[in-house]
Amino acid sequence: EPEVTQTPSHQVTQMGQEVILRCVPISNHLYFYWYRQILGQKVEFLVSFYNNEISEKSEIFDDQFSVERPDGSNFTLKIRSTKLEDSAMYFCASSENAGKRGLSYNEQFFGPGTRLTVL
Amino acid sequence: GENVEQHPSTLSVQEGDSAVIKCTYSDSASNYFPWYKQELGKGPQLIIDIRSNVGEKKDQRIAVTLNKTAKHFSLHITETQPEDSAVYFCAAKRSNDYKLSFGAGTTVTVRA
Repeated sequence: EPEVTQTPSHQVTQMGQEVILRCVPISNHLYFYWYRQILGQKVEFLVSFYNNEISEKSEIFDDQFSVERPDGSNFTLKIRSTKLEDSAMYFCASSENAGKRGLSYNEQFFGPGTRLTVL
Repeated sequence: GENVEQHPSTLSVQEGDSAVIKCTYSDSASNYFPWYKQELGKGPQLIIDIRSNVGEKKDQRIAVTLNKTAKHFSLHITETQPEDSAVYFCAAKRSNDYKLSFGAGTTVTVRA
């Protein structure tokens, strides 16, 4: 069964350093997402991406964050200068469509996550 | 934005009994309600979902119900088994959004 994969599973970095989290979405999916979960808190939406551009982003997704689809398979989240409060589990997800404008399917499939620890 | 509340935060049931998790949402524009199961060390796995044009959906031992008027939806697990032990998340999506808004999660423990 196709699945979303993420690397690395755990990333430890020093405050102020740049990190790149990588994801390989399900191959026929067109919509890609990043969510994060700070320990003990809700899963929070960060950004969605379609057709090589951001389709929606939350207030969390500020100038320190960027996303990219550098090739036909990878989807990355970059944090330019990490802060202590960026420590969280980061989940990538993908879906076949967005469930908008009458399209009924928006099943988002999640990867196993990358645990980011900022020291 | 959409706000999803989930109860209870923890639930312990005897094997074979039923488990019910309830969620409420705030925005009447929400029309898609998935449920995810997260096992230790893994990402959330979609287990069932419901759209606002139906009131109930069942898949083997799990079922979801939706009350649009009251803005709440529930997950029902019957004949619980130890492998049902996990954290369960409800979520809601508004029709014009791409994002899912999640509840805080329910830790379900099935006692053998």
